[in-house]
Amino acid sequence: EPEVTQTPSHQVTQMGQEVILRCVPISNHLYFYWYRQILGQKVEFLVSFYNNEISEKSEIFDDQFSVERPDGSNFTLKIRSTKLEDSAMYFCASSEQRINEQFFGPGTRLTVL
Amino acid sequence: AQRVTQPEKLLSVFKGAPVELKCNYSYSGSPELFWYVQYSRQRLQLLLRHISRESIKGFTADLNKGETSFHLKKPFAQEEDSAMYYCALTSGGSNYKLTFGKGTLLTVNP
Repeated sequence: EPEVTQTPSHQVTQMGQEVILRCVPISNHLYFYWYRQILGQKVEFLVSFYNNEISEKSEIFDDQFSVERPDGSNFTLKIRSTKLEDSAMYFCASSEQRINEQFFGPGTRLTVL
Repeated sequence: AQRVTQPEKLLSVFKGAPVELKCNYSYSGSPELFWYVQYSRQRLQLLLRHISRESIKGFTADLNKGETSFHLKKPFAQEEDSAMYYCALTSGGSNYKLTFGKGTLLTVNP
């Protein structure tokens, strides 16, 4: 059964460094999402992406964040200058159509030191 | 603004006992409600959604618009039901983003 994959599973970085989190959505899916979960808190929506552009973003998704679909398979989240408070589990999700089930990846744990 | 509240952080029951995981929501329109589950060391996965009106793994959930609730129920809990359960809603609209509750960790004891 096809699955959403994410790499790396764990990323450790220094404050101020740039990180790129990678996701490979399920191949025939058209809608892509990033969520994050700070330890002990709820899963929060960051951004949604469709037809090669952002369709909605949350207040968390400020100028330090960007997303890209550089080729036909990858969907990336970039954080330009990481802060301590960016430490969280980042989940990628995709769905075939807007109203379909969102399938989640296993997550990337980002630790900012 | 939309919000999902799961009042219980932890819930512990014995095998064979009924279980109810509570979920209340706040949204002015007509939301769609979901339950997601995360078993140990596995990814988040959809358990059920209110529009499907299905019973999955013995779990059911009924949307009560008057009480703005979407509680998850199972009459006889099994040990393999032990997991983290998240209630979520979407308002629909242009992108279908999910708003999650904080989750309830269900432990089913033998």
